[in-house]
Amino acid sequence: NAGVTQTPKFRILKIGQSMTLQCAQDMNHNYMYWYRQDPGMGLKLIYYSVGAGITDKGEVPNGYNVSRSTTEDFPLRLELAAPSQTSVYFCASSYGRASALFTDTQYFGPGTRLTVL
Amino acid sequence: RKEVEQDPGPFNVPEGATVAFNCTYSNSASQSFFWYRQDCRKEPKLLMSVYSSGNEDGRFTAQLNRASQYISLLIRDSKLSDSATYLCAVNIGMGGKLIFGQGTELSVKP
Repeated sequence: NAGVTQTPKFRILKIGQSMTLQCAQDMNHNYMYWYRQDPGMGLKLIYYSVGAGITDKGEVPNGYNVSRSTTEDFPLRLELAAPSQTSVYFCASSYGRASALFTDTQYFGPGTRLTVL
Repeated sequence: RKEVEQDPGPFNVPEGATVAFNCTYSNSASQSFFWYRQDCRKEPKLLMSVYSSGNEDGRFTAQLNRASQYISLLIRDSKLSDSATYLCAVNIGMGGKLIFGQGTELSVKP
């Protein structure tokens, strides 16, 4: 198993450009997540998905869009990049239980380091 | 009050020392708690999960205090390789969502 994979590893964008960060998992996990991590900070949830065709906003969704057409893939789209979106982006996945009370372990991809100039 | 708050670091300890970090959470309905380890510029990796009162794995012990709403991580006999940032995460509501603390940096010196 490759686990959670992300591409690209690094990217530099100019203000106003757009790009898609790719994320894929081969663990047959139902739930997938996108986080951003700014220097010296914890992770902030951008968007998440509990299954194909279902997505929802996290804490910091502005400036981003997602789609989940398959169980395996969860791309994150940046429209009109801004310097405030300079960050490290992590994708994660988890099995996803039926119970709302408990949360399964999330497994993270290696991250994409994005700089917007 | 922040939803999840960790001891501010950094913690600088000698090899062999015992060190403990605390993490407080605000949502009394939270049921799942995690400690992740993050090495510089790498992805977080699960260290321990805590679903009841605590968990132990070798030199690492996590304890949950529901009354005071905090979890702790105890590392005994610290190794140089334990140097990293430790992230606490707490579940919130549906969808398996986690809220992460800002992390506590540990540096173990020879």
